[in-house]
Amino acid sequence: GQQVMQIPQYQHVQEGEDFTTYCNSSTTLSNIQWYKQRPGGHPVFLIQLVKSGEVKKQKRLTFQFGEAKKNSSLHITATQTTDVGTYFCAGPSGNTPLVFGKGTRLSVIA
Amino acid sequence: GAGVSQSPSNKVTEKGKDVELRCDPISGHTALYWYRQRLGQGLEFLIYFQGNSAPDKSGLPSDRFSAERTGESVSTLTIQRTQQEDSAVYLCASSLVAGVGTGNIQYFGAGTRLSVL
Repeated sequence: GQQVMQIPQYQHVQEGEDFTTYCNSSTTLSNIQWYKQRPGGHPVFLIQLVKSGEVKKQKRLTFQFGEAKKNSSLHITATQTTDVGTYFCAGPSGNTPLVFGKGTRLSVIA
Repeated sequence: GAGVSQSPSNKVTEKGKDVELRCDPISGHTALYWYRQRLGQGLEFLIYFQGNSAPDKSGLPSDRFSAERTGESVSTLTIQRTQQEDSAVYLCASSLVAGVGTGNIQYFGAGTRLSVL
């Protein structure tokens, strides 16, 4: 079935640096969701993108959905230690409502 | 309830034993999902229920795994004859509906950490 690929798998940044994670699908997605999982915690919903070329912002986080609706990105400006965690993208696949990417684990060095 | 509740939070069992994990979804949520997360890995889809429809079992790794849900309430995930490779965190999530739109946002429980010795 359709897979959602995420890169990079890991990212280590100095506090204050920017961070971007990318999500790619082999097929067109009707929508894409992003979740954050803090160390030792459970995934928490961040945002959903539905429209081609959509851009949404949440404070220092910017989410984009590609024009072809096959890729998405999450960009964090000026990372803080509170941004530490794993960021997952997820999209529908066949009859499965959401298939999660493997995630990007972000470490922030103070 | 206020959120998705899972029990037990931790389960240690011996290889070969059966285990039952429970999930209590958010009231009113018709869709319920089970995932497995091995240490440091992503979310592996196992099964989902939508209302009274037949569940999508496409992610279950073997016939040792099964899940039940009565109506739109509690679900149990059963693993028979546990193996060491079953050790993982089992996460449950629920959503208003399963499909396109904001209704399919998933809310996760804290998970059950299963350790098979």
